[in-house]
Amino acid sequence: DTGVSQDPRHKITKRGQNVTFRCDPISEHNRLYWYRQTLGQGPEFLTYFQNEAQLEKSRLLSDRFSAERPKGSFSTLEIQRTEQGDSAMYLCASSLGGTSGSREQYFGPGTRLTVT
Amino acid sequence: DAKTTQPNSMESNEEEPVHLPCNHSTISGTDYIHWYRQLPSQGPEYVIHGLTSNVNNRMASLAIAEDRKSSTLILHRATLRDAAVYYCILLYTGANSKLTFGKGITLSVRP
Repeated sequence: DTGVSQDPRHKITKRGQNVTFRCDPISEHNRLYWYRQTLGQGPEFLTYFQNEAQLEKSRLLSDRFSAERPKGSFSTLEIQRTEQGDSAMYLCASSLGGTSGSREQYFGPGTRLTVT
Repeated sequence: DAKTTQPNSMESNEEEPVHLPCNHSTISGTDYIHWYRQLPSQGPEYVIHGLTSNVNNRMASLAIAEDRKSSTLILHRATLRDAAVYYCILLYTGANSKLTFGKGITLSVRP
């Protein structure tokens, strides 16, 4: 257990429905990341928060995706009008601030989304 | 982003040392070398990182070449629980420290 939790662990939804995932980072970590991982591939970066500010979004994050981190604590990732191509593992990670390259990230267990 | 090159897979025997290589010939002076691993059906797990000097922690050792163009993750005594995908990642010292994962190296451990 890394101290990063994600909820739910599994989600099955029908195409066209909206889904929301939650991530609770390690409490003193001010940086929070979302990644997506499809079968057989390494995780891909989606977006990044420093405290409550969303500082970078990947081109992978289409207009149907939105992420928030109110008050710089937990974060939510919402996918609207889900498509079958959204089926993946959604991973959250957190880290301390400071010299970026030297900070390790701690990952949660992920939320596995299946869109039918 | 500077890229890394790893073999696709390696096999090891239980309780023997394992050396996992990584090439990063285009590394810049401010890139840290990070290693993460991912066990089946789990999120990635931080293993170790370094900049120029060799590093040791409770999980592994990281040996960094003098020219920093390659590095080796060393597991001193492999166990069955070490079977995982190991990712070697260069982390740029900039405002955003997002991790760029490649395919990694799949380590199998034989009993």
